[in-house]
Amino acid sequence: GQNIDQPTEMTATEGAIVQINCTYQTSGFNGLFWYQQHAGEAPTFLSYNVLDGLEEKGRFSSFLSRSKGYSYLLLKELQMKDSASYLCAAYTGGFKTIFGAGTRLFVKA
Amino acid sequence: GAVVSQHPSRVICKSGTSVKIECRSLDFQATTMFWYRQFPKQSLMLMATSNEGSKATYEQGVEKDKFLINHASLTLSTLTVTSAHPEDSSFYICSASDSGGTDTQYFGPGTRLTVL
Repeated sequence: GQNIDQPTEMTATEGAIVQINCTYQTSGFNGLFWYQQHAGEAPTFLSYNVLDGLEEKGRFSSFLSRSKGYSYLLLKELQMKDSASYLCAAYTGGFKTIFGAGTRLFVKA
Repeated sequence: GAVVSQHPSRVICKSGTSVKIECRSLDFQATTMFWYRQFPKQSLMLMATSNEGSKATYEQGVEKDKFLINHASLTLSTLTVTSAHPEDSSFYICSASDSGGTDTQYFGPGTRLTVL
């Protein structure tokens, strides 16, 4: 079966660091996407990991371990505008991307 | 780069009418376009995948006669919700990929459909 697990909600403080975890079990795997989605808006692309390891892009970093079926998104120097849902999605090939339910992040002052 | 537009952004219609939603890739040619629907606080659910010039591939449980998809050009795909009912009310989002689905999907801004 296809399964993507990520926490439902997280709360963090402005200026802090937060790590959003994602585990996946899919039949076929090519890479792992992270998207940000603000309420009532469409998702916007954050990162795509194909190889194991950490990829850093400004305040956001994404990590992948293919052997463990595990990824995380790391957000540093949190800002209020980072309050959003973060979607983990596994690209399984054959035009298929399986999305997780999303993690709602609340950033408080 | 990689901008996808969607029109309309919001639509309210009466039960039984049909609604057409357009999805355009503005600055790239979209080999593949995807249509999703999303209910409040739920994940994106893929409805169908369409490749330019060929019939769309629908996900299990999605009625192809109710959700008509046309991908007539490399920059335009349309989704028509036929004989809409209140249970079709949802957030419909398209995305486009320029590499046959192997790379990043860029999402349109979404269309919120409300069927009265």
